Amino acid sequence: GENVEQHPSTLSVQEGDSAVIKCTYSDSASNYFPWYKQELGKGPQLIIDIRSNVGEKKDQRIAVTLNKTAKHFSLHITETQPEDSAVYFCAASIFNDMRFGAGTRLTVKP
Amino acid sequence: DAGVIQSPRHEVTEMGQEVTLRCKPISGHDYLFWYRQTMMRGLELLIYFNNNVPIDDSGMPEDRFSAKMPNASFSTLKIQPSEPRDSAVYFCASSYRVETQYFGPGTRLLVL
Repeated sequence: GENVEQHPSTLSVQEGDSAVIKCTYSDSASNYFPWYKQELGKGPQLIIDIRSNVGEKKDQRIAVTLNKTAKHFSLHITETQPEDSAVYFCAASIFNDMRFGAGTRLTVKP
Repeated sequence: DAGVIQSPRHEVTEMGQEVTLRCKPISGHDYLFWYRQTMMRGLELLIYFNNNVPIDDSGMPEDRFSAKMPNASFSTLKIQPSEPRDSAVYFCASSYRVETQYFGPGTRLLVL
């Protein structure tokens, strides 16, 4: 089955800096890659996603890149703000079989 | 739309008791998923339904767990009997067709 690895497990940045979280997946058949943000006591919230026929997608301060050959994808957050502090999960999916990474706890220091 | 609704938000019970978690998916969504989140194992898919029919229950840990979806707007996850190792946050998610899943706020279960 699919295996998703996520790095780093924790990330601390200064407000205004950029943050990058990286994930790798094992099953080349995976075709959908969402990113979720989870705040304390809440459910994961979709922040951006990318499909296998697209290499990059951007939405304001967040962007995701996908390298199908290397089977890795990354989340980039620019101009970080304290409210970006949360746990971020990547996932790789084949139809509805979605496997999640272990999560990255991002702390943005004011 | 109100999003995915789960109840209760918190549940504390004693080992051996029956626990029932409830979920109302987003109206119009035809897929419903149950996940469990723990520190040790992260987010795990337990089971998912399509048009109220269970499609894949390979993630259900053992026979003590069962899930039903009697109609398009309601699903339950039942644990009987509960054990301390079942303590976790249980999430319900729904989607329209495939892929983009929207999560509920979760039920935090503690089994003493």
